[in-house]
Amino acid sequence: AIRMTQSPSSLSASTGDRVTITCRASQDISSYLAWYQQKPGKAPRLLIFAASTLQSGVPSRFSGSGSGTDFTLTISCLQSEDFATYYCQQYYSYPQTFGQGTKVEIK
Amino acid sequence: QVQLVESGGGVVQPGGSLRLSCAASGFTFSSYGMHWVRQAPGKGLEWVAFVRHDGHNANYGDSVKGRFTISRDFSNNTLCLEMNNLRLDDTAVYFCAKSLAGGIPAANDYWGQGTLVTVSS
Repeated sequence: AIRMTQSPSSLSASTGDRVTITCRASQDISSYLAWYQQKPGKAPRLLIFAASTLQSGVPSRFSGSGSGTDFTLTISCLQSEDFATYYCQQYYSYPQTFGQGTKVEIK
Repeated sequence: QVQLVESGGGVVQPGGSLRLSCAASGFTFSSYGMHWVRQAPGKGLEWVAFVRHDGHNANYGDSVKGRFTISRDFSNNTLCLEMNNLRLDDTAVYFCAKSLAGGIPAANDYWGQGTLVTVSS
C-alpha cells in the first residue's frame, strides 16, 4: 500500500496567518491527491482534488500544489472556521490511503 | 441536494456480524462509485471499501479483506456493508462517501454523518 506522510502532525497559528501543510507519498501518485478538512464530530469535507483543483464552494484562501510524491495545502489567511484537522488522501491505487492528519490549533 | 444517511451501527461481540446501510438521495445513484471509510475513536481516517457505479469490481482495505462485503441496491438507492467476524479493532465510526466519478479513481465529494460500530465483549 502507498504510505502517505503528513507534516507537521499539529501546528498552532493565529487568525490571518498563512499556513502550509505538506504530504509526501511513498511512491509516484501523479496528481491523484485530495485534501479534506474535518471538524470534531463531523464528516470530512472535500477541499481540493487532483492535487490543485478547488472543490465547488470552498473559499479561495485554500490552495493545493504538487505532483508525483510531494504535495502542499496552503491556507493563505487563516480564519476562525479553519481550525480543524486536515487529511491528504491518495486515490492513485487501491487500497486508497490517508495521511495521519494535521491538527491546526489556535495559538 | 445530495444526502447520505448511514444506519445499522451498534454494539456487537467479537466474532459477530453487522450490516450497515447508507441511503442515498439527491443524485443519480447508478452513476457514481461509492466508498466506506472508517475512523476509530480519536484516530485518523481509514479507507475500507469501494464499489463501482455499476455494482461490479469491489476493492477492499487489507484489514477487512475477506471479512467485509460492499454492495449496492439500485432498487432503493442504498449502499451496504456486510461485516463478518468482527474484531475489537473494527470499532469505529463508519462513513459512506460518494465518489466524484463512476468507475475511475476520484476523490469523495459528499459524506454521510457516520454510524458508530462498537465491538466489545
